[in-house]
Amino acid sequence: QKEVEQNSGPLSVPEGAIASLNCTYSDRGSQSFFWYRQYSGKSPELIMFIYSNGDKEDGRFTAQLNKASQYVSLLIRDSQPSDSATYLCAVTGSARQLTFGSGTQLTVLP
Amino acid sequence: DADVTQTPRNRITKTGKRIMLECSQTKGHDRMYWYRQDPGLGLRLIYYSFDVKDINKGEISDGYSVSRQAQAKFSLSLESAIPNQTALYFCATSEGRAHNEQFFGPGTRLTVL
Repeated sequence: QKEVEQNSGPLSVPEGAIASLNCTYSDRGSQSFFWYRQYSGKSPELIMFIYSNGDKEDGRFTAQLNKASQYVSLLIRDSQPSDSATYLCAVTGSARQLTFGSGTQLTVLP
Repeated sequence: DADVTQTPRNRITKTGKRIMLECSQTKGHDRMYWYRQDPGLGLRLIYYSFDVKDINKGEISDGYSVSRQAQAKFSLSLESAIPNQTALYFCATSEGRAHNEQFFGPGTRLTVL
């Protein structure tokens, strides 16, 4: 079992819709959870982080964390074509290292 | 100016050659990391350093070595490059805080023929 799992997609949503990206992790000692956005050929860019159970909102982005279910998600409201990218989930586990999922490719259709 | 820079940005080399990738940062962060990214495999940690005197192996350190020349500089070396080291290499930095947000350089695309 991979430590951090994401659906690789591709996930396609129409412009203006809500995009929902999901991530599960195996280390129950995980403390910190991050979402990175990566455009093709570019470096990962941190867009959200969450440390506590519940929801955290930042503009059009909402991160949701459920430690009991070992599940973290990212919602993108009012999706725009510029949101088309690969989204990487990353988790800091009990070894204090950041482990990345393989990413979900999102396409927002005009 | 970029906070985390990497040189070179692109490199083509031949099997058996020694190659060095360099990373510099102006963020003042203590921690620095080297990752490689392959299609479908995500980012994998090669080496990391929490300060100048602290170097640690990551998930896939075989075939690689590193040097932390200063707080701001962290180099990755391939002593004898092989084709399966063809990948996109990223340097990252973080503060020494518990939650470990990491910030990435622009990457080096390495091709080993």
